[in-house]
Amino acid sequence: GENVEQHPSTLSVQEGDSAVIKCTYSDSASNYFPWYKQELGKGPQLIIDIRSNVGEKKDQRIAVTLNKTAKHFSLHITETQPEDSAVYFCAASIMRYSSASKIIFGSGTRLSIRP
Amino acid sequence: EAQVTQNPRYLITVTGKKLTVTCSQNMNHEYMSWYRQDPGLGLRQIYYSMNVEVTDKGDVPEGYKVSRKEKRNFPLILESPSPNQTSLYFCASSPQVGGGASDTQYFGPGTRLTVL
Repeated sequence: GENVEQHPSTLSVQEGDSAVIKCTYSDSASNYFPWYKQELGKGPQLIIDIRSNVGEKKDQRIAVTLNKTAKHFSLHITETQPEDSAVYFCAASIMRYSSASKIIFGSGTRLSIRP
Repeated sequence: EAQVTQNPRYLITVTGKKLTVTCSQNMNHEYMSWYRQDPGLGLRQIYYSMNVEVTDKGDVPEGYKVSRKEKRNFPLILESPSPNQTSLYFCASSPQVGGGASDTQYFGPGTRLTVL
């Protein structure tokens, strides 16, 4: 069945350094790839997403890259700050205009920023 | 304030005692979904609904029921809870621009359920 693998499961970086989280997906029909950030005690919140007709998207310190051939996509956070500490989830879904779309989440990455 | 609310936030119950977790959104979203979050497994979709009276199974529907009688509400029902349903549950909604899960989902604060 559909699967999304996410690595690493934990990541610790020095404040100011960059962090990279990688995901691979199994269903080649997937065409929407969101990233969610979950802070302690809260529900996940979308931070950035990318659709399959785009290879890269950037929003300030956050960027996502997509390689459809290899079925890989990655989250890049530059100049990390303490408030970036959280659990990050990648996901993949198939977008269909006239029918339901399922979404599969990765297992999550706990990112810690060291002062 | 635009939000997704869930109740209760915490619940401890015993095996076999029927329970309902309510979910409500005030954003007029068409798509709603339930997830469970377990350590090392991420978020797994239980059920989703594209609109009123339209529901479908996600990846882990066994032991759960849902209903969508009104656009704003999407309750999760556990008819006979078992210990393996102990988990953190999230409800989410989406405007369904382009199709349900392929758009920004807005998550509720979560319900921590313990089944003894």
